[in-house]
Amino acid sequence: QSVLTQSPSVSAAPRQRVTISCSGTSSNIGNNAVNWYQQLPGKAPKLLIYYDDLLSSGVSVRFSGSKSGTSASLAISGLQSEDEADYYCAAWDASLNAWVFGGGTKLTVL
Amino acid sequence: EVQLVESGGGLVQPGGSVRLSCEASGFTFSTYWMSWVRQAPGKGLEWVANIKNDGSEKYFVGSVKGRCTISRDNAEKSLYLDMKNLRAEDTAVYYCTRDRGGATPAPFESWGQGTLVTVSS
Repeated sequence: QSVLTQSPSVSAAPRQRVTISCSGTSSNIGNNAVNWYQQLPGKAPKLLIYYDDLLSSGVSVRFSGSKSGTSASLAISGLQSEDEADYYCAAWDASLNAWVFGGGTKLTVL
Repeated sequence: EVQLVESGGGLVQPGGSVRLSCEASGFTFSTYWMSWVRQAPGKGLEWVANIKNDGSEKYFVGSVKGRCTISRDNAEKSLYLDMKNLRAEDTAVYYCTRDRGGATPAPFESWGQGTLVTVSS
């Protein structure tokens, strides 16, 4: 059971927009920045969004992040087949003194 | 270009030990926090431990506390993870990561390709 909660899967058609959510508590998301990672099949993860809504270098502007209270979201617009991947949210948990991840959301582009 | 190359994985018996290494290049190693993140087969990501740039602070996930040591050699630009009393649930790909720098806690900006540790008899 992950400390941060993500839906296991989401799907959408090409060119559509999809949102992936991440829910936490005041110990993590509520008082610390959220980061988002993309993991393509068989590859190492890659930083997509950091400090809630900043785009990592080289990442498409189709990706965006937001946060409100103890929840965060990753939005992907203009979906492409190459966006099929697992997406993870992460935040520092001040009570655990540890980084915590969501369980991951598998994105399928129909 | 930032490069992180892990080594040291392999098949280990339950109760055994392993030392993972990560050789860094392409950046000033001594100025960044470093972390280990693992991923069990078919499962999600789990942060294991991190260490401050000068080695003065270290943090661990609860499941490895007392069994794990993280260390670094800034002169050799290397990061290490020593694990003992290994269990089946420690079976995973272990990734070496470099933090982004700046304000802490900072995200994992660079990742190695990982090294697989399999705990089995």
